[in-house]
Amino acid sequence: QKEVEQDPGPLSVPEGAIVSLNCTYSNSAFQYFMWYRQYSRKGPELLMYTYSSGNKEDGRFTAQVDKSSKYISLFIRDSQPSDSATYLCAMSESYNQGGKLIFGQGTELSVKP
Amino acid sequence: SAVISQKPSRDICQRGTSLTIQCQVDSQVTMMFWYRQQPGQSLTLIATANQGSEATYESGFVIDKFPISRPNLTFSTLTVSNMSPEDSSIYLCSVERRTGSRYNEQFFGPGTRLTVL
Repeated sequence: QKEVEQDPGPLSVPEGAIVSLNCTYSNSAFQYFMWYRQYSRKGPELLMYTYSSGNKEDGRFTAQVDKSSKYISLFIRDSQPSDSATYLCAMSESYNQGGKLIFGQGTELSVKP
Repeated sequence: SAVISQKPSRDICQRGTSLTIQCQVDSQVTMMFWYRQQPGQSLTLIATANQGSEATYESGFVIDKFPISRPNLTFSTLTVSNMSPEDSSIYLCSVERRTGSRYNEQFFGPGTRLTVL
C-alpha cells in the first residue's frame, strides 16, 4: 500500500464547476498537508498548506484535512480554464521537512471553456 | 520565493551513457533536494545534497547510480549514470525556505525531461 493515494484522473469539468480533489494516507504521523499545482513543462508550485485537521480557505481554493479519516481534499470553486493543471497532494511529519515530502500521484484536471 | 533554474531542460540519451543535470538557485540555501517524477508515479525524493558533506540518499537510490555534487550554497549537480530506458523521467531539484512562522516551503525547479533510448 502506498503511503499516499491520489486518483490520477484525468478529470474534465466545464468552466464554473466546483472541483473536488482528494487524497488518502496511511501514516498517522503526518502533520502538514500541502497541495501543489503543476502546469505542463513546469515544476510544482505550492498552492496551500494546512497544519493538522481543519479547513483553510484562499480565494477560490479550500483545503480540508480530516486526520481521523486520514483524508484530505482540495475544493476549487468557479473553476477557470487557467486552473487546468496537475494537482499534487503532499504530506510531511514536520514543518522542517528536510525534503521528506511524500507526494500523491497527482490528479490531472482540465477545465473546458 | 526562490528562483531555480535547471540545465538541460530536456535530453534524449542512449542506453549506457551518463547525463549530468545542473541546478542553480538565486540565493544561498543549506539543503538542496533531487526528485524523480516518473510517468504516472508520485514525485519521489532521490537524495538531499548538503554543502560540504556527502549527499544523503533515500531507500532505493544509490550513489553509484546517482552521484551528486554540491560545490557551493547555490549550485548542485545530479548525474544519472549508466542509463537504461527505466531512467526515463523528469528530474527536479528543489530548495526549502522559511515562508511562514512555522513552515518551510519547498520550491521546485522546472525539471529536466530525460528520455533514454
